[in-house]
Amino acid sequence: GAVVSQHPSWVICKSGTSVKIECRSLDFQATTMFWYRQFPKQSLMLMATSNEGSKATYEQGVEKDKFLINHASLTLSTLTVTSAHPEDSSFYICSAAGWTGTSNQPQHFGDGTRLSIL
Amino acid sequence: TQLLEQSPQFLSIQEGENLTVYCNSSSVFSSLQWYRQEPGEGPVLLVTVVTGGEVKKLKRLTFQFGDARKDSSLHITAAQPGDTGLYLCAGEESGTYKYIFGTGTRLKVLA
Repeated sequence: GAVVSQHPSWVICKSGTSVKIECRSLDFQATTMFWYRQFPKQSLMLMATSNEGSKATYEQGVEKDKFLINHASLTLSTLTVTSAHPEDSSFYICSAAGWTGTSNQPQHFGDGTRLSIL
Repeated sequence: TQLLEQSPQFLSIQEGENLTVYCNSSSVFSSLQWYRQEPGEGPVLLVTVVTGGEVKKLKRLTFQFGDARKDSSLHITAAQPGDTGLYLCAGEESGTYKYIFGTGTRLKVLA
C-alpha cells in the first residue's frame, strides 16, 4: 500500500528557532499534500493544501508567514515553522494524495511530528 | 466553514458491547472517510464511502453513508480492547481531495 514518510517524528527546540518538517510519498506521485495540526485529545485541523509546483492554499486563520509550505516535487512537501514559540507546540501531520501510475490514491497519512518549543 | 460533528465525544464500554458513532454535517460531501488514530501516530484509513445510502462492512465494523451524503455512522459489534482509539470521520469537499475532519470520538473498550 501507499506509504507516506514524515520526518522528524519528534523535535524539541528553543523559542525563536525555525523548524522544518518533511513529508515524502514513497511509492506514488503526490500531486496534492495536506498539512494538519492536532492539539492533544482533539481532532485534526487542516492548515493548508499544497499542489506540486504551485503556492499552497492556507485555511482561514493560518499565518502564511509563520507556516511556510513548499511542494517542489511530486514526492516531497515541507512545512517550516518560522521563529517558533511555545504556542506553536503541537502534533503536525501531513497527508498525500495522488497517482500511482495505475490508480488514484486517496490521502494517506504520515506518522506525524511532535513539535515542542521550550 | 464546513463542520462535522461527531457524537459521542467519549465512550467507555465493556468488551463485547455494541456501539455506534455518528458523524453529522449540514454540508454535502463527495465522499466520506473513517479513520482510527492511536496516540502519537497518524490516522489510519478504515473505509471510504462515496454513494448516498452506501453500507460497507469491515469485519465487526459497519459503515453507512447517509442518503443525502451529509452524515455517516460507524457501528462496532462486540467491541474488543483492540478497538480502543480515536475515531475520526472526514468529509471530502467536492472534487478537491480536501478533507475536513470531524470532532472525533474517543473510544475505550475495557477488558
